[in-house]
Amino acid sequence: NAGVTQTPKFQVLKTGQSMTLQCAQDMNHEYMSWYRQDPGMGLRLIHYSVGAGITDQGEVPNGYNVSRSTTEDFPLRLLSAAPSQTSVYFCASSYSHLGQDHGYTFGSGTRLTVV
Amino acid sequence: AQTVTQSQPEMSVQEAETVTLSCTYDTSESDYYLFWYKQPPSRQMILVIRQEAYKQQNATENRFSVNFQKAAKSFSLKISDSQLGDAAMYFCAPGSYNTDKLIFGTGTRLQVFP
Repeated sequence: NAGVTQTPKFQVLKTGQSMTLQCAQDMNHEYMSWYRQDPGMGLRLIHYSVGAGITDQGEVPNGYNVSRSTTEDFPLRLLSAAPSQTSVYFCASSYSHLGQDHGYTFGSGTRLTVV
Repeated sequence: AQTVTQSQPEMSVQEAETVTLSCTYDTSESDYYLFWYKQPPSRQMILVIRQEAYKQQNATENRFSVNFQKAAKSFSLKISDSQLGDAAMYFCAPGSYNTDKLIFGTGTRLQVFP
């Protein structure tokens, strides 16, 4: 089925380890974003992209890197994991600007725990 | 910078009744969009309704409608004839047309009682 696929669904990391959260969509969406969700803080924008080769920072970019070499993929890299990065991470995509036509399509999330 | 405030961490409503969730935001831009998203216990984010800031007419989607007050920067969501399936977290999200950023509020947890 078409949609946004996030892998892994769950991950436990040790402090200082690095890893990549994968996000792929097969809907030919230009716009993709990464959010983190923490209790009481809603969803906070980490990085976003308006097309292949174009990325920009969101509200909380520190400690994360992204790249967008293809339209389909938008991986999120944690360079040196810290306990403060324990969160649920959501990837989202849209065909239209800001998802104005049909909203963003969200992945099912990755629950990351850093110990 | 955009900011958004949802002042009601939790709300409750009886089935078949009406409830209104509030949202205020701050932006210096003239062109923007406003959205309400719903997140049920499944954690899946679902678009509820959207509003273009340049449109004065309030958006409606079946039992869901908004009260958009541009001058007051207020964007409340009204749910009529509440159903048990409406129980979820609701997030208000203004989107900047210029920066492509969609910023979410902290959410309101809605409980629906039979």
